Amino acid sequence: GESVGLHLPTLSVQEGDNSIINCAYSNSASDYFIWYKQESGKGPQFIIDIRSNMDKRQGQRVTVLLNKTVKHLSLQIAATQPGDSAVYFCAESGGSRLTFGEGTQLTVNP
Amino acid sequence: NAGVTQTPKFQVLKTGQSMTLQCAQDMNHEYMSWYRQDPGMGLRLIHYSVGAGITDQGEVPNGYNVSRSTTEDFPLRLLSAAPSQTSVYFCASSYSRTYEQYFGPGTRLTVT
Repeated sequence: GESVGLHLPTLSVQEGDNSIINCAYSNSASDYFIWYKQESGKGPQFIIDIRSNMDKRQGQRVTVLLNKTVKHLSLQIAATQPGDSAVYFCAESGGSRLTFGEGTQLTVNP
Repeated sequence: NAGVTQTPKFQVLKTGQSMTLQCAQDMNHEYMSWYRQDPGMGLRLIHYSVGAGITDQGEVPNGYNVSRSTTEDFPLRLLSAAPSQTSVYFCASSYSRTYEQYFGPGTRLTVT
């Protein structure tokens, strides 16, 4: 079936550095993509979304890039802070469902 | 607004028992869904609903039933619990599938 996956299960960065988390998806019909952050013991929290008619969208310290040609999604976090340490999930929707990837554990070292 | 609420927070069941996980939202969202999350894994869709009276299956629907009699509530029923259903269950709601989903705090279920 269609699936969304992430390139790396873990990412460790220094505080203040920029972080890039990648995601590959396989459903060419997907038209909506989301990034979620999940802290330990909590439900996923929305970070940013992007629709398929866009290539880039920026939020506060976060940017999502969408490359439909290679079915690739990335989340960039500027000036990463200790509070950014969490698991990050990408999700895609093409139809009635939202499908999640397996997640990347981001660790920010002081 | 309370957002998305789930009860109970924790539950232990014996194999073969049945129970209902409750989910409610006060944001007047049409789209609601249930996910399960196993340790170190992503979220897998169990069932979803695009509005009151309408439900559909997700990736892993076997062993679970849902109903949507009101916009606010979307209960998940485990028919005959199995150890493979040990997981954390999240309920979510949104205006539609192409809008941000708001997640509840989760129910941690253990089946022995």
